[in-house]
Amino acid sequence: ETGVTQSPTHLIKTRGQQVTLRCSSQSGHNTVSWYQQALGQGPQFIFQYYREEENGRGNFPPRFSGLQFPNYSSELNVNALELDDSALYLCASSGGTADGYTFGSGTRLTVV
Amino acid sequence: RKEVEQDPGPFNVPEGATVAFNCTYSNSASQSFFWYRQDCRKEPKLLMSVYSSGNEDGRFTAQLNRASQYISLLIRDSKLSDSATYLCVVNSAGGSYIPTFGRGTSLIVHP
Repeated sequence: ETGVTQSPTHLIKTRGQQVTLRCSSQSGHNTVSWYQQALGQGPQFIFQYYREEENGRGNFPPRFSGLQFPNYSSELNVNALELDDSALYLCASSGGTADGYTFGSGTRLTVV
Repeated sequence: RKEVEQDPGPFNVPEGATVAFNCTYSNSASQSFFWYRQDCRKEPKLLMSVYSSGNEDGRFTAQLNRASQYISLLIRDSKLSDSATYLCVVNSAGGSYIPTFGRGTSLIVHP
């Protein structure tokens, strides 16, 4: 059973650019959530996908968008990058409503 | 008031000590609760779910108090390897389960 994998592991972008982060969910998991974690803070919920539909969104602007594919892998897109977008971006997958989530090792994004 | 609140610590304890963390949540309709552990610059990993009746896993005990809207984690006989950040997670109620994280409590176990 493979876990959650994220790519790339590290990324440096310039303010104003766009970025796409990718996540492959754990086998058998149909729910994927994305989180932003700034240094010293807990993960902040961005949005969640269940069977290719967004079914929850946190307090993030529309320039944060996502997709889930038929194989339940997912993408997070961020447009018009700002310096404050620098953070660890975590993807987590779950197979059931009351299950805990399995996290990928994250993508560390630096915006300069 | 934040949805999920934790004392960030750090809690500095000697090996062998017993330490307890609390976490309060604001949504009385929350339905499931978890503790995660996060090592420095790593992803969070599920430590244990928290059940209404309380549950134990080795040196770790989790409790839920719905009336006062808090969950707790007790670690007995602390080991150096327990040093980490402990994140409280609450699943919101409603049609979709959205895990909300606290900011975490830092534990440092020293020799």
